Amino acid sequence: EDQVTQSPEALRLQEGESSSLNCSYTVSGLRGLFWYRQDPGKGPEFLFTLYSAGEEKEKERLKATLTKKESFLHITAPKPEDSATYLCAVQAGIKAAGNKLTFGGGTRVLVKP
Amino acid sequence: DGGITQSPKYLFRKEGQNVTLSCEQNLNHDAMYWYRQDPGQGLRLIYYSQIVNDFQKGDIAEGYSVSREKKESFPLTVTSAQKNPTAFYLCASSYLGGPGETQYFGPGTRLLVL
Repeated sequence: EDQVTQSPEALRLQEGESSSLNCSYTVSGLRGLFWYRQDPGKGPEFLFTLYSAGEEKEKERLKATLTKKESFLHITAPKPEDSATYLCAVQAGIKAAGNKLTFGGGTRVLVKP
Repeated sequence: DGGITQSPKYLFRKEGQNVTLSCEQNLNHDAMYWYRQDPGQGLRLIYYSQIVNDFQKGDIAEGYSVSREKKESFPLTVTSAQKNPTAFYLCASSYLGGPGETQYFGPGTRLLVL
């Protein structure tokens, strides 16, 4: 069974204080690992897709990396507007799984000015 | 503007009542999905559809039903058999094919029980 575990559950940062979020996964052949940002009461907003170990992607203050067992989302010099819940999900490569995404529980990030 | 719309934003259900959540997309995506989100838990897949007139159960399909009569639309009915329907419901869509099929989400519908 595919599993995704995110840590920490919550993270409080001062503005400018860089940090990393962890996403550990077990999956039957990774097809893709996805990061989303979710604001309270809204749908998840797509950030990145990573396909293979060693891959990195960046967008503004966010950088996502991937190994064979985990992914990290690095937040560099965060601003208050980066406050949100960050969700990690995996998509298995086996056909029987369809296109199902298996999600972790998320990391709630609060950036204080 | 291309995107996914869900309605209503809030929905109230009475005991024994069936309610239907709407999901429409104009992205020309092939596949559509319904997820349920509960506080402190990850999103869980209810149903998905890869083609018109065909759909598959996800992990928590009991008490729910769907239809896919048009490519753009994938309504979800929460039946009276669903004993704990209070949750945030999210619809998503994606293209099929390619190395990884990114799913894009709508704004969600919050269902509350009266």
